[in-house]
Amino acid sequence: KAGVTQTPRYLIKTRGQQVTLSCSPISGHRSVSWYQQTPGQGLQFLFEYFSETQRNKGNFPGRFSGRQFSNSRSEMNVSTLELGDSALYLCASSPGDSQYEQYFGPGTRLTVT
Amino acid sequence: AQSVTQPDIHITVSEGASLELRCNYSYGATPYLFWYVQSPGQGLQLLLKYFSGDTLVQGIKGFEAEFKRSQSSFNLRKPSVHWSDAAEYFCATSGTYKYIFGTGTRLKVLA
Repeated sequence: KAGVTQTPRYLIKTRGQQVTLSCSPISGHRSVSWYQQTPGQGLQFLFEYFSETQRNKGNFPGRFSGRQFSNSRSEMNVSTLELGDSALYLCASSPGDSQYEQYFGPGTRLTVT
Repeated sequence: AQSVTQPDIHITVSEGASLELRCNYSYGATPYLFWYVQSPGQGLQLLLKYFSGDTLVQGIKGFEAEFKRSQSSFNLRKPSVHWSDAAEYFCATSGTYKYIFGTGTRLKVLA
């Protein structure tokens, strides 16, 4: 089975712009979670989707949003980018309930200048 | 609130030496616990998991971890470290539809 894929792998944006990141889960997995990883804050939970419904959301401003499609693929969007949004954004998928093991993609490295 | 603590930010060991990475959790009931490894610029790879049952769990790459309720710990061990084990290791527990990660331990392996 193919693993979790994330596109693009690297992205450079300017402050004030918006960005959309994409995640394709492992085939058959219905739960997709997103995490932000930075040297200062570590791994922080953004949100989790299951069957197109957001079930949980982390403590991030409303500029961060996401969605999940009927094929379980997910996108996250960050509007009005700030320098502090520079991070590695990781997507993870689970077969069902995400409290069980999650399988992570390679991440998207976002740099905001 | 649930949390995990990894007391060691950096650990250096010689190749061939044994390894133990510490993880302490905070949760009233039996937690679901995980160890992940991350190589530079990569995503996280699941090493092993604990849900219930046998408190000594075996994982991939020769790693094992032991769940000790009395110490609220879930330490990761490997009897003989290889240079390729140099990476960052994260302990995690699962909350409601999310993971809660520790701050990570960066492992350096000396030749």
